[in-house]
Amino acid sequence: QVQLQESGPGLVKPSQTLSLTCSVSGGSISSGAYYWNWIRQPVGKGLEWIGYIYYSRSTSHTNYNNTLRSRISISADPVKNQISLNLNSVTVEDTAVYYCARDYGDPWYFHLWGRGSLVIVSS
Amino acid sequence: SYDLTQPPSVSVSPGQTASITCSGDKLGHKYVSWYQQKPGQSPVLLIYEDKKRPSGIPERFSGSNSGNTATLTIGGTQVLDEADYYCQTWDSSNYVFGSGTEVTVL
Repeated sequence: QVQLQESGPGLVKPSQTLSLTCSVSGGSISSGAYYWNWIRQPVGKGLEWIGYIYYSRSTSHTNYNNTLRSRISISADPVKNQISLNLNSVTVEDTAVYYCARDYGDPWYFHLWGRGSLVIVSS
Repeated sequence: SYDLTQPPSVSVSPGQTASITCSGDKLGHKYVSWYQQKPGQSPVLLIYEDKKRPSGIPERFSGSNSGNTATLTIGGTQVLDEADYYCQTWDSSNYVFGSGTEVTVL
């Protein structure tokens, strides 16, 4: 059974870069069958999609939330079987639980979620 | 950007039917998914492609989508159905979530 596990620093200072990793177990991120997403949720608020990476042995591409595009980078490490998120120039508004999630592509829904990782932006 | 609007809260008595709406421009032309999120937990997929249920999701959860409104219906609501519910669609190459609805069973 495939599982997703987010990890990273729980505290980041304003203006710095937030970096998170999603470790995938029970399946390969290089299968080419899935899209690997990051989604966040400020405490007590709703869900916001951040972006995804599609990765296979022959190709990869990313797609980002239009409102966050300038600050986001999502990458894949097939050796470690991990997906990574970098969000730069963070502010307190980026404080949230960050989820890793998987989808099949069209018709675009998330069928598998990680447990989430809380990141607090504070000096 | 595309917006999905949900009522902030819905209250229902045990055993009754709860309906949660999700509104967006020409939403009926798009696929809608629904997620359930209980406190401290990750969201769980309840409905995809407007009305399909993943394996393991009880039959009391059903979905529909037409015009500008998608609806999640919980038939025979149970106390364990108390949670936040989010609709989601895909527009202009971006995922979009609704604002969420808190369902209270009392």
